[in-house]
Amino acid sequence: GESVGLHLPTLSVQEGDNSIINCAYSNSASDYFIWYKQESGKGPQFIIDIRSNMDKRQGQRVTVLLNKTVKHLSLQIAATQPGDSAVYFCAESPRRALTFGSGTRLQVQP
Amino acid sequence: DSGVTQTPKHLITATGQRVTLRCSPRSGDLSVYWYQQSLDQGLQFLIQYYNGEERAKGNILERFSAQQFPDLHSELNLSSLELGDSALYFCASSAPGTSGGGTQYFGPGTRLTVL
Repeated sequence: GESVGLHLPTLSVQEGDNSIINCAYSNSASDYFIWYKQESGKGPQFIIDIRSNMDKRQGQRVTVLLNKTVKHLSLQIAATQPGDSAVYFCAESPRRALTFGSGTRLQVQP
Repeated sequence: DSGVTQTPKHLITATGQRVTLRCSPRSGDLSVYWYQQSLDQGLQFLIQYYNGEERAKGNILERFSAQQFPDLHSELNLSSLELGDSALYFCASSAPGTSGGGTQYFGPGTRLTVL
């Protein structure tokens, strides 16, 4: 399969544990943030988003937390499953285009 | 399946050549974005079109150009190809009224290999 980023930080978790993936963003003017999941050989897939007027947003098994004070974003995945293994990117949008972080590889151990 | 389609899936060509990558956005989406993903650069925004007009430019080389047609499909043209242009090229689209500030849905990508 396609290898995205040979030198990505890697988070290894046991199946069933919770995962937390962190991201620092750079632009204090960004008002919209998205988490994407990219599996090997595929395009980025939308997971969850959050606007800057919120601190927390929950989806199905995923939660995004936004700390604007320190420009930090995190993605929490509950009860991590083998199918969650992928590269996760945060993206910020101050206006028109998304700026992507470098990504974190999540490895789920059975 | 995001609803965004890209062709071809793979493209192998030689240095100095020119190629065209094609993208069809999701039904109803007016914005198309192009991104380049290489191993050491991550996802880099190249250019955005909205309803046929260029809306934003990112790190797009002068050798690269794009356009969006009346039927809203888009083409990315890469010319005078160099080895360093080898990468995955993704197209994304977003719904009307969400240009840049809304969710972008990505296609499966075109893998370009320049030999």
